[in-house]
Amino acid sequence: AQSVTQPDIHITVSEGASLELRCNYSYGATPYLFWYVQSPGQGLQLLLKYFSGDTLVQGIKGFEAEFKRSQSSFNLRKPSVHWSDAAEYFCAVGAWTGFQKLVFGTGTRLLVSP
Amino acid sequence: DAGITQSPRHKVTETGTPVTLRCHQTENHRYMYWYRQDPGHGLRLIHYSYGVKDTDKGEVSDGYSVSRSKTEDFLLTLESATSSQTSVYFCAITSTGQKDTGELFFGEGSRLTVL
Repeated sequence: AQSVTQPDIHITVSEGASLELRCNYSYGATPYLFWYVQSPGQGLQLLLKYFSGDTLVQGIKGFEAEFKRSQSSFNLRKPSVHWSDAAEYFCAVGAWTGFQKLVFGTGTRLLVSP
Repeated sequence: DAGITQSPRHKVTETGTPVTLRCHQTENHRYMYWYRQDPGHGLRLIHYSYGVKDTDKGEVSDGYSVSRSKTEDFLLTLESATSSQTSVYFCAITSTGQKDTGELFFGEGSRLTVL
């Protein structure tokens, strides 16, 4: 069965510092991997996705993520965090067969300190 | 903008009453989903639909039913609401064009409180 682990419930980062959010997945085949961001009271917005090709993927808002098959990881990174990045971040895994049943991690809440 | 509208956005109800949440899409997408979001659980799939009158259960379907009588509308019904169904409910769609890779697009959520 598919599963996703986001080991950090909360992370606090100073504005301007770098960020890495961890995501580990369990899946029997090559997964489709996604990172979503949710601001308070809002829906989820897609940051980036991986399904094949280059293992370093670029997303919106200056985020990137690297797929590491040997570690079953898909960590999200940003070189310099802005106060507006404070939100909750969800990693998700799925298998696209013309249909998608994504399995989500429990989320990591990012706090940005001045 | 994926053209997804959820209604109502907020609802407070009492235990034992029926509740229906509506998801409306304007993009003619085939696949629609209902998820619930709870602290410590992330998002969990309740039901999904792969066409008009074609639906199936997700991982947390007990106590919920769905209907899809036309492409644009996907209804989630709680026949007899319980306090454990207090949650934020999200509708999502998947676009299925040739270049699509299965990402979900979400509505803004419906916050349900069952007293």
